[in-house]
Amino acid sequence: DIQMTQSPSTLSASVGDRVTITCRASHNITNWVAWYQQKPGKAPRLLIYRASNLESGVPSRISGSGSGTEFTLTISSLQPDDFATYHCQQYSSLWTFGQGTKVEVK
Amino acid sequence: EVQLVESGGGLVKPGGSLRLSCTASGFTFSSYSMNWVRQAPGKGLEWISFISHSNKYIYDADSVRGRFIISRDNAKNSLYLQMNSLRAEDTAVYYCARDQREGFRGDAFDIWGRGTLVIVSS
Repeated sequence: DIQMTQSPSTLSASVGDRVTITCRASHNITNWVAWYQQKPGKAPRLLIYRASNLESGVPSRISGSGSGTEFTLTISSLQPDDFATYHCQQYSSLWTFGQGTKVEVK
Repeated sequence: EVQLVESGGGLVKPGGSLRLSCTASGFTFSSYSMNWVRQAPGKGLEWISFISHSNKYIYDADSVRGRFIISRDNAKNSLYLQMNSLRAEDTAVYYCARDQREGFRGDAFDIWGRGTLVIVSS
């Protein structure tokens, strides 16, 4: 099984901050990584697929990068709508999610 | 509008059974592989089951294998999850989610339902 280790578990930030979340895979998964945003009581929303491709309708301040075992989600200038929990997912071999990162108000 | 709507959740005793449904609309359901993902209270997401668009391939997570059965009826635009031998640790919100691209790919999940809550408790 492929494990996804996501960090940090909680991130305190202010509007306008640059925010970075990392996921590390236990095996080489090339670029089969997706990132999701989830708000309380809501379903996850796909943000990024194939490590760096922006899903339609997702603002360009959100980006993804990485390959192999190290992956990053970056929000270049945090906006009020971005306070949420973010999940990474590998889909190289079945599907595994990271533990999630809650981005909260500093 | 592309939409998935889950139903069938509720309170069930340990050892009991429950059948979840997911009804799709706004897209050609028979062209897309589908998944069930769950989220225990205050926890992260856990993929639990996949079924290919044609019903040919099924994969399950170790945590549910032998107890949960995924199925679909393309004529009814519906996905199902039969849950047997339920345990307290199966308590979660259960989401159905669509593979991003048509055909059997093993993809990211681009469309999600709002979820249905299953509580396993005596």
